[in-house]
Amino acid sequence: KNQVEQSPQSLIILEGKNCTLQCNYTVSPFSNLRWYKQDTGRGPVSLTIMTFSENTKSNGRYTATLDADTKQSSLHITASQLSDSASYICVVSGRNTGTASKLTFGTGTRLQVTL
Amino acid sequence: NAGVTQTPKFQVLKTGQSMTLQCAQDMNHNSMYWYRQDPGMGLRLIYYSASEGTTDKGEVPNGYNVSRLNKREFSLRLESAAPSQTSVYFCASSNPGEKLFFGSGTQLSVL
Repeated sequence: KNQVEQSPQSLIILEGKNCTLQCNYTVSPFSNLRWYKQDTGRGPVSLTIMTFSENTKSNGRYTATLDADTKQSSLHITASQLSDSASYICVVSGRNTGTASKLTFGTGTRLQVTL
Repeated sequence: NAGVTQTPKFQVLKTGQSMTLQCAQDMNHNSMYWYRQDPGMGLRLIYYSASEGTTDKGEVPNGYNVSRLNKREFSLRLESAAPSQTSVYFCASSNPGEKLFFGSGTQLSVL
């Protein structure tokens, strides 16, 4: 069964600090891996999409890495801000059908940034 | 640019009642999707429409029907609501191989 597991489930950090969120997956065959940010009461917003050949992709203070051999990804947040408080969802596409119908979603990491 | 617009934002139903969730996108995307999000679980696909005129079942389609009214609009209907359908519902759209754009969600409670 295709699965995406994220850790930790929740995390509290001080503003200005860095943090790293983890994602392990068993989805096969692999097409791409996505990270989304979901603010409370809102829909998820895409941060990055990485294909098999991409090891790293950045979006501002967010940097995602992918190791397709070990089926692991991480999302690193640099110099955190209060606005980074959200859930971060790892999503893996298991087949390149041209649609997003084969996505497997993780349950997310809940990040809280405090003063 | 509105993106993906969902209505209503909140809804309370009694068991057995019916309702339709509306979704519209203004990004000229071919594909549209309906997901549900429950506590402790990842988003699960209910139905999707890869292109105008087509619809397909996702992971959890039972108790739901959909209509792709045109390229912009994709509605989700609950014919006879059940407490198990209490959830947050998200509509999304995309072009093939590209990122999903989500609406802001509908919080549905079935009593």
